[in-house]
Order: sequence, then C-alpha cells, then structure tokens
Amino acid sequence: QVQLVQSGAEVKKPGASVKVSCKASGYTFTSHGISWVRQAPGQGLEWVGWISADKGHTNYAQKFQDRVTLTTDTSTGTAYMELRSLKSDDTAVYYCARLSVLTWDYWGQGTLVTVSS
Amino acid sequence: NLMLTQPHSVSESPGKTVTISCTGSSGSLASNYVQWYQQRPGSAPTNVIYEDKKRPSGVPDRFSGSTDSSSNSASLTISGLKTEDEADYYCQSYDIRNRGVFGGGTKLTVL
Repeated sequence: QVQLVQSGAEVKKPGASVKVSCKASGYTFTSHGISWVRQAPGQGLEWVGWISADKGHTNYAQKFQDRVTLTTDTSTGTAYMELRSLKSDDTAVYYCARLSVLTWDYWGQGTLVTVSS
Repeated sequence: NLMLTQPHSVSESPGKTVTISCTGSSGSLASNYVQWYQQRPGSAPTNVIYEDKKRPSGVPDRFSGSTDSSSNSASLTISGLKTEDEADYYCQSYDIRNRGVFGGGTKLTVL
C-alpha cells in the first residue's frame, strides 16, 4: 500500500533552517511528483511547492521562492523540503503529498515545525 | 493571481443536503480543474473530488462536484449528511503557472 512517512517534529530558532523528509513506499517513486503543503495552527492549507520525482523539476509558490528548496533522493525514495531563514509565522504542520495527475491522492502524516526563540 | 473564496462555515442537519461554493477571483475556473479535500481535526487532508466532479474510489456517491462557468465557481454537494461528514473542506486549483491554490476552507457542522 502507498505510504508517505515524514520525519519527526522540529523546534528551530528564528533565522535557522529546517529540512523535513518524506519517505515514500508502495509505488514506483519516480512515477509521481511530490507536493508540499503547510498549515499554520488554526489556519487553512497553503501550497509550498512541487518537485518531479524523476527529473527533479521544481515549481515553488512565489511566497517561498527565495527560501525553500525541494529535492529528492531516488535511491531511497525520499523527498525533502528545506526552508531557510525561519520566522515565527513559519510555525506550521508541513505535509508532503503524492501528485497523481492533478490530485494529491496520498498524504504524509505531517511534520510540526515550531519556530521560537 | 488566482484566489479561491469559500464560505467560512456552513451547517445542516443529518440526512439533509449541503452545498459548499468556491469562487475564483480571475479568469475562468472552469478552464482549470478543481479538486476538493476533506480534513478532519488532527488528520491530513483526503481527496473527495478531483477534476471537478470525479470521485476517488472509496468516496461515497453522496459527494458530488460541479462547476458553473457563468459564476466562475465550483461546488461540492454532500447529500444524506452524516455526522462523520463534519470536517473542514478545501477547494483547490492551479494558477496559470501551475502553482497550487487553495480556498480558505469551509467548516461543515452537522447538527
């Protein structure tokens, strides 16, 4: 069965960086892109970006363009999201999700990133 | 930039039908497929409608999607409401640069 398992919660100080992993299993990793979506406490969903798992092409939300990098490791079937220059309003649950044509059909369990001094 | 607007909340009684709207700010929402996601508290979202009106396997046919080009909007309709349908619902589409865009979400209360 398809599973996306994300790394554990992180606590970071303002200005630091965080790297969240998303390990895929149950399907051919390079056949589907991975998107990242975040959700601040009590808020709605916000798209962060997308990466093609085979060629590594990326597309980022304009808001995060200068601070986020998405990568994949096809040897381990793992996707990564690195967010730099963290601010307090980056505190959120970050989800990875498998893209199937236009739809995110499988989601990771989410990773809480807390930014606090 | 595309923005999607949803009502903040809706409520209805069990067994009734509710419709959640999603209105696009620019262009034609009808030319960009709309997806709908259900999110229960403490859980990741799950897809309930894709490509405007298609249901993933396992989603009951009580859930249906539609679009209306005249109002540049999409709708999610849930019939025969059950208490388990109580959740937040998000519409989602793509802008002209293929970047994902979510609506603000609608809290459905089944009283």
